[in-house]
Amino acid sequence: GQQVKQSSPSLTVQEGGISILNCDYENDMFDYFAWYKKYPDNSPTLLISVRSNVDKREDGRLTVFLNKSGKHFSLHITASQPEDTAVYLCAAGEGTGSKLSFGKGAKLTVSP
Amino acid sequence: EAAVTQSPRSKVAVTGGKVTLSCHQTNNHDYMYWYRQDTGHGLRLIHYSYVADSTEKGDIPDGYKASRPSQENFSLILELASLSQTAVYFCASSDVSGDAEQFFGPGTRLTVL
Repeated sequence: GQQVKQSSPSLTVQEGGISILNCDYENDMFDYFAWYKKYPDNSPTLLISVRSNVDKREDGRLTVFLNKSGKHFSLHITASQPEDTAVYLCAAGEGTGSKLSFGKGAKLTVSP
Repeated sequence: EAAVTQSPRSKVAVTGGKVTLSCHQTNNHDYMYWYRQDTGHGLRLIHYSYVADSTEKGDIPDGYKASRPSQENFSLILELASLSQTAVYFCASSDVSGDAEQFFGPGTRLTVL
């Protein structure tokens, strides 16, 4: 079965608002959690990642929250902009440099 | 300059034919991966490799073979292409140490008719 799940396939947010994307995972051994961004007809690129020894990481407008007991992590994008419109893929894995399990992706649309 | 390249970028194949997708990376990474992307499925791992001359099965290996003749090159082989293998295929590489960030190639759009 799918080890990483994104339950909401799409989200629309007004420009300037906060976008919240969610991801649930099943494998207790996962210790690496990441969010990738993908534009149509382009390849995914890493946005932000976090290891399981922290429960939060900020990078500019991006924040990843990790809830290990709930097997859940989320991406918050503040001051959302139209150029944030893309598909966001969550991913999780074990150890360093190892294979990742990806969610199905969620399409974020930021409307002006 | 692109560090992960794929060829061809698109291909039309006939059912039952053989298809080889190639991936080349200049990141000096040990790990390489092949994924397929389908609408509603996100990215699914087909095969991966930790070292040259060795490959591992991913989550959906049936109908695919992989070959890693060198650190830089990783191929995906469809011996008998089927309609269900129509998809976009992405290759990626990552470093053995440190961050697990994967660097993706531009993708290959495969259509099997």
